[in-house]
This record gives sequence, structure tokens and C-alpha cells, in this order.
Amino acid sequence: DGGITQSPKYLFRKEGQNVTLSCEQNLNHDAMYWYRQDPGQGLRLIYYSQIVNDFQKGDIAEGYSVSREKKESFPLTVTSAQKNPTAFYLCASSMEGDTLYTEAFFGQGTRLTVV
Amino acid sequence: AQSVSQHNHHVILSEAASLELGCNYSYGGTVNLFWYVQYPGQHLQLLLKYFSGDPLVKGIKGFEAEFIKSKFSFNLRKPSVQWSDTAEYFCAVILTGTASKLTFGTGTRLQVTL
Repeated sequence: DGGITQSPKYLFRKEGQNVTLSCEQNLNHDAMYWYRQDPGQGLRLIYYSQIVNDFQKGDIAEGYSVSREKKESFPLTVTSAQKNPTAFYLCASSMEGDTLYTEAFFGQGTRLTVV
Repeated sequence: AQSVSQHNHHVILSEAASLELGCNYSYGGTVNLFWYVQYPGQHLQLLLKYFSGDPLVKGIKGFEAEFIKSKFSFNLRKPSVQWSDTAEYFCAVILTGTASKLTFGTGTRLQVTL
């Protein structure tokens, strides 16, 4: 089945530790994204990538880092510099071109709790 | 700054009531518009989308939305809600030509009572 897989579903980490969230897609989509979802704030864009080996900061990139070494994979690292890392993280992907944009498809999310 | 506003944060309706959820955006150019739904415990899924053409678009499960360019709005409607429509609804907008900057509203939590 084609889709987006995020792992793990739940993640617990101690304060001060970096943690990496996995996102893999087999939809052959060019673009991938990371959003953070907090109650009452909707989805806020952290980072996005339109092609391999290239990515851009979103609206709330501070304290996060990403890589895009393969088309299928877009891991997100939550660093110790992120002041409020406990949240629900969503990965998405879409077909994309200069003037083409299709809908974004989402993974099931990773709930990160930092204690 | 570009933004998307959903003014209804929490809506409670009885089954069979009509629904309208507001969505306004602040982009100045040509936009693509989306409504996504997140049912409890499930991933976000697309309800409907507007790219061009007829401003009244129909989506899944009896939902529809109307794009009113002059009002910068894309309100979601359903004539008669069901208990199974209980979910969180997100409006999203992307400015064409600025690929990847899909911006979401803060969401509206809909609770349908029996």
C-alpha cells in the first residue's frame, strides 16, 4: 500500500536529549513537510523539502533540523535547543512542480513527550 | 504575513443540524484552497479542494465549500451533520507559484451530539 509512515507513534525523551523522528513515503512524491500540531494552534510548518538534498525553513524551524538524502525519507531531529518540544508531529508529502501543487498526504503522526 | 483564520474554535451541533465553518485567508495572489479533517485517532485526510473553475466545490461525505474571492473566504458547509462528523476541521491555503508553503488555520473542533 502506498502511503506515509511515521515512526514511532509515541516517543518519550529526557530534557536535553536530541531525538529523531522518522518519516518515509512510497508515493514517489517530490515534496515532503514537517508540521507541528498543538491544541488551539493548528498545524505549523517546521521544514519542507521540494527535492532531494534541498530543504527550507518553515515558520517555526528554530530548534529543529532535517535532512533529505533520499526521495523517500525526511527525518526530523528535535534538538535540545527547542524550548517546548512536547507536541504532535506530522509528516506530509505531495507531488509538486513550479506551477503544480496537489494535495498533501499525511502520516499518522508522532507524539513526542519530553520529561 | 500570510495567514489563514478559522474563527470558530469549537462548535457543538445536534445531529441533523446544518453546519458552516468559516475560513478566511490574507493572501493577495491566486490561491489553492483545502479543507482537511482529522477524526479522533486518525490521520489528517482531505475533504475537498479548490484549484480553479466552479467556486462551489463538493467533497466527500456530503461536504461542500464555496470560494468567494472578493471576501477571501472558503467556508465549509454541510446541510445535515451526523454524529460521525465529530472531528477537527482544518482550512489550508497555498499561494500558487510558491510551492510547499501550505499554511493551515488553527482548526475547528466540531462536536455532534445525538
